[in-house]
Amino acid sequence: QVQLVQSGAEVKKPGASVKVSCKASGYTFTSYGISWVRQAPGQGLEWMGWISAYNGNTNYAQKLQGRVTMTTDTSTSTAYMELRSLRSDDTAVYYCARVVVIITNNWFDPWGQGTLVTVSS
Amino acid sequence: DIQMTQSPSSLSASVGDRVTITCRASQSISSYLNWYQQKPGKAPKLLIYAASSSQSGVPSRFSGSGSGTDFTLTIGSLQPEDFATYYCQQSYSTPPFTFGPGTKVDIK
Repeated sequence: QVQLVQSGAEVKKPGASVKVSCKASGYTFTSYGISWVRQAPGQGLEWMGWISAYNGNTNYAQKLQGRVTMTTDTSTSTAYMELRSLRSDDTAVYYCARVVVIITNNWFDPWGQGTLVTVSS
Repeated sequence: DIQMTQSPSSLSASVGDRVTITCRASQSISSYLNWYQQKPGKAPKLLIYAASSSQSGVPSRFSGSGSGTDFTLTIGSLQPEDFATYYCQQSYSTPPFTFGPGTKVDIK
């Protein structure tokens, strides 16, 4: 079955970087994109950006431009999200999700299990 | 950027009730609207895509409707496993693909 499995929880100090992985299985990795979404404690969902696993094209949320980089490794069907210059308000659960595109419409299915990133001094 | 709002922000309902959640976009998004369900401590799950198409395996009591700026998610007969938070998301044109703030459905 289609599955996304993310790396484990991380604790980082302010100013550090974190890199979260998302390993895909059960489908042709390069036929879909991967989007990243985060959720701060007790808050809603925030779209961070997405990457085409076919050609590596990316699109990032404006508020994260310059701090986030999304990449893929097609040899291992794994997507990565790196966030730099971490602040306390980056504390959140980070999710990856497969982006299904039909003509011009798209939706996220399935989602990874989430990775908790805690930023604390 | 397109802004999404949802109403109500929370509701209390009983098993068997018919529940309706509304989502509104700040501009027309045609039918580029998706609905997700999230239970505590779990990842979101796709329920409805393209405003009214049900994802495979989703119970038939969940339905979506609307186009343009106004959309609705209806749960025909609320079941115990449906107590969760529901998010709409627009996927119109170019990113960002913003989410609504969520509607929490809990037990009356």
